[in-house]
Amino acid sequence: QKEVEQNSGPLSVPEGAIASLNCTYSDRVSQSFFWYRQYSGKSPELIMSIYSNGDKEDGRFTAQLNKASQYVSLLIRDSQPSDSATYLCAVGSGNTGKLIFGQGTTLQVKP
Amino acid sequence: EAEVAQSPRYKITEKSQAVAFWCDPISGHATLYWYRQILGQGPELLVQFQDESVVDDSQLPKDRFSAERLKGVDSTLKIQPAELGDSAMYLCASNSEREANEQFFGPGTRLTVL
Repeated sequence: QKEVEQNSGPLSVPEGAIASLNCTYSDRVSQSFFWYRQYSGKSPELIMSIYSNGDKEDGRFTAQLNKASQYVSLLIRDSQPSDSATYLCAVGSGNTGKLIFGQGTTLQVKP
Repeated sequence: EAEVAQSPRYKITEKSQAVAFWCDPISGHATLYWYRQILGQGPELLVQFQDESVVDDSQLPKDRFSAERLKGVDSTLKIQPAELGDSAMYLCASNSEREANEQFFGPGTRLTVL
């Protein structure tokens, strides 16, 4: 079992729709969770961080965390073609700050 | 806006040659990470520094890879000799303790081994 799992996709949504990206993790003691966006050929860009159960909203992005279910998600409202990218879920491991990444989900937003 | 700097951006080399990558973290960031990202996968940690000290190098192939951060600022990652399977994106990231694990990545070095 991988430590951080994501569906590789591609996830295809029409412009203006809500995109829902999901991630599960195996380490029950993880305390920090992140979403990175990565355009093709570029490096990951941090877009959301979440540390406690519930929702965290930032503009069109909402991160959701459920530690009991070991589940974290990212919602993108009013999806735009410019949101087309790979979204990486990352989970903090141990007390060193090390991040464990999922393989990423490719999102395609069609005009 | 402060950024992590990396060079070179692209490197093509032949197998058995030596290659080196350089990273300058965001000013004031004590923690520096080197990751390797194979196409279609997420980044995997190679080595983590806290100031000049190695915190975690458990996934670093030490027979061919080495990393240093002599003055606790910039860092160099070296591969000698390079193998075909080393073709990947090498990413450097840094964070500060105040930012609770939020890591910021540089542009990366795309390595191709022929």
